[in-house]
Amino acid sequence: AQSVTQLDSHVSVSEGTPVLLRCNYSSSYSPSLFWYVQHPNKGLQLLLKYTSAATLVKGINGFEAEFKKSETSFHLTKPSAHMSDAAEYFCVVSTNFGNEKLTFGTGTRLTIIP
Amino acid sequence: GAGVSQTPSNKVTEKGKYVELRCDPISGHTALYWYRQSLGQGPEFLIYFQGTGAADDSGLPNDRFFAVRPEGSVSTLKIQRTERGDSAVYLCASSLSTNNEQFFGPGTRLTVL
Repeated sequence: AQSVTQLDSHVSVSEGTPVLLRCNYSSSYSPSLFWYVQHPNKGLQLLLKYTSAATLVKGINGFEAEFKKSETSFHLTKPSAHMSDAAEYFCVVSTNFGNEKLTFGTGTRLTIIP
Repeated sequence: GAGVSQTPSNKVTEKGKYVELRCDPISGHTALYWYRQSLGQGPEFLIYFQGTGAADDSGLPNDRFFAVRPEGSVSTLKIQRTERGDSAVYLCASSLSTNNEQFFGPGTRLTVL
């Protein structure tokens, strides 16, 4: 079985400061890992994905994540937070051998303080 | 272009009633997925279709839940004898094929009174 644990249910940062959203995964196989963002009243949007190529993955809107096998982590970072980053973020692992079935974490709500 | 659409956006029903939730995937996408998101939780996988057939329905919670995709495009999630615990946001996603990015719809919020 595969799973992800998001270590913080809520993170608050000031605008212009760095963002760190933490995620640990558990997988019996080489995982595919994703970060999705969910803005209020909008659909889930893919931020970035890791599929065993480069361990540092760059996504949209200045976000990036680093796959660390030794730490079983896939933390999401951004150097400078913007007000528009306020949303719910989900760390996701794919089950089976592709991404047919996504397993989501419980989410981290990011609040940006003006 | 048009994204994944879901209708209705909101559905309120009474315990014991039957409901149908519809998903229109992105044109040309062969894979279609259903997820359920309860309050304060991440989405949970229910079922996915490759074409017309259900390739994996292991996430359906019980036999009150059923989904179809008869022509390989639109899908309907059907819930019989609804219970209050079925209240959630039901999300649909589609992808060009499996192993491609899943694009999510806005969801249908189901409330069972």
